[in-house]
Amino acid sequence: QMQLVQSGAEVKKTGSSVKVSCKASGYTFTYRYLHWVRQAPGQALEWMGWITPFNGNTNYAQKFQDRVTITRDRSMSTAYMELSSLRSDDTGMYYCARSGSSYGMAVWGQGTTVTVSS
Amino acid sequence: QSALTQPASVSGSPGQSITISCTGTSSDVGGYTYVSWYQHHPGKAPKLMIYDVSDRPSGVSNRFSGSKSGNTASLSISGLQAEDEADYYCSSYTSSNKVVFGGGTKLTVL
Repeated sequence: QMQLVQSGAEVKKTGSSVKVSCKASGYTFTYRYLHWVRQAPGQALEWMGWITPFNGNTNYAQKFQDRVTITRDRSMSTAYMELSSLRSDDTGMYYCARSGSSYGMAVWGQGTTVTVSS
Repeated sequence: QSALTQPASVSGSPGQSITISCTGTSSDVGGYTYVSWYQHHPGKAPKLMIYDVSDRPSGVSNRFSGSKSGNTASLSISGLQAEDEADYYCSSYTSSNKVVFGGGTKLTVL
């Protein structure tokens, strides 16, 4: 079955960077958009950006534009989200999600907890 | 890009029907038929309930339905059940080729 498996929890210092992976299986990796979504504690879901795995094209939310980089490795069917210059308010759960036949996010990873402290 | 506007909370008794609104602009909700709705139980990954305004993915109960009028989309749930209690989020494709979520609505089944 279609599945996205994310890397494990991370604890980072303020000012550092974090890189979260998202490995796809059960479908052709290049066919659908791959999104990254964040949820800070007690806050709403927040779209960070997406990548087209076929050609690597990306688009980022304005809020994260200067700090986020989304990449992919087609040979590994894996996407990555790197967030730099971490602040305490970057603490939260980070999800990858795959589009279905349209823009709806039909398949979700299990989430990766990122904790940022000084 | 501002978040779409949803009510903070709604509630209903088992068996009743509720509707959650999601208001955007002509650059997102009003301009495209790409509104989605997600159910999110704490500690679990979100689940797609509605896509393209009113389509249901396979396996989603037909108690869930979606619609749109102008810049406002709506999610309706009929025959409320205890397991429907969750947070619900709308999202929309935007004119900037991005996606925006709503602020979320907490559904309480009384």
